[in-house]
Amino acid sequence: GIQVEQSPPDLILQEGANSTLRCNFSDSVNNLQWFHQNPWGQLINLFYIPSGTKQNGRLSATTVATERYSLLYISSSQTTDSGVYFCAVEGAGGSEKLVFGKGTKLTVNP
Amino acid sequence: NAGVMQNPRHLVRRRGQEARLRCSPMKGHSHVYWYRQLPEEGLKFMVYLQKENIIDESGMPKERFSAEFPKEGPSILRIQQVVRGDSAAYFCASSLHYNSPLHFGNGTRLTVT
Repeated sequence: GIQVEQSPPDLILQEGANSTLRCNFSDSVNNLQWFHQNPWGQLINLFYIPSGTKQNGRLSATTVATERYSLLYISSSQTTDSGVYFCAVEGAGGSEKLVFGKGTKLTVNP
Repeated sequence: NAGVMQNPRHLVRRRGQEARLRCSPMKGHSHVYWYRQLPEEGLKFMVYLQKENIIDESGMPKERFSAEFPKEGPSILRIQQVVRGDSAAYFCASSLHYNSPLHFGNGTRLTVT
């Protein structure tokens, strides 16, 4: 099945800093989504982005499907951005299920 | 506009008992997915259902685990004769269509004592 690798596994920032999280995948994808799991365990959908670029406030994401990677940018980070960021993909073979990476754990210090 | 509703939030069961986890998808969503998350790990796919149909159960253990999504009512994930290794957070998600954004519930944290 498709493999998903996220980097870095851990990231510590000071409030106000910018960061880039990376997601590499091993095969062509039909579907790619980014999620944020907050410290209380809630999972929030950030982006549905199988290709191209999207922006939502301080967050933006870019997927370059031909090169099999996606990037999540966080600008002017805030303590509320802390948590784990997951990339999830569905392979182009049509498995109809999202496979999750192991996540990037982000800690933003005041 | 309620999101995905899961209950209970926390469930404690003794070894050998049955656990029933419920999930009501977002209004209008007919695609339901169940995922399991162990501490400090990512989410592992278990099963994908549409109304009255199991589409993909490749991630679900063959024994003791079953899932349903009836025509009326919530989706149910059932674990029979629970063991300590079943302790985990179980998340349900729903989507409007195939290949559309996935929305998660707050999860059920199962503890087997």
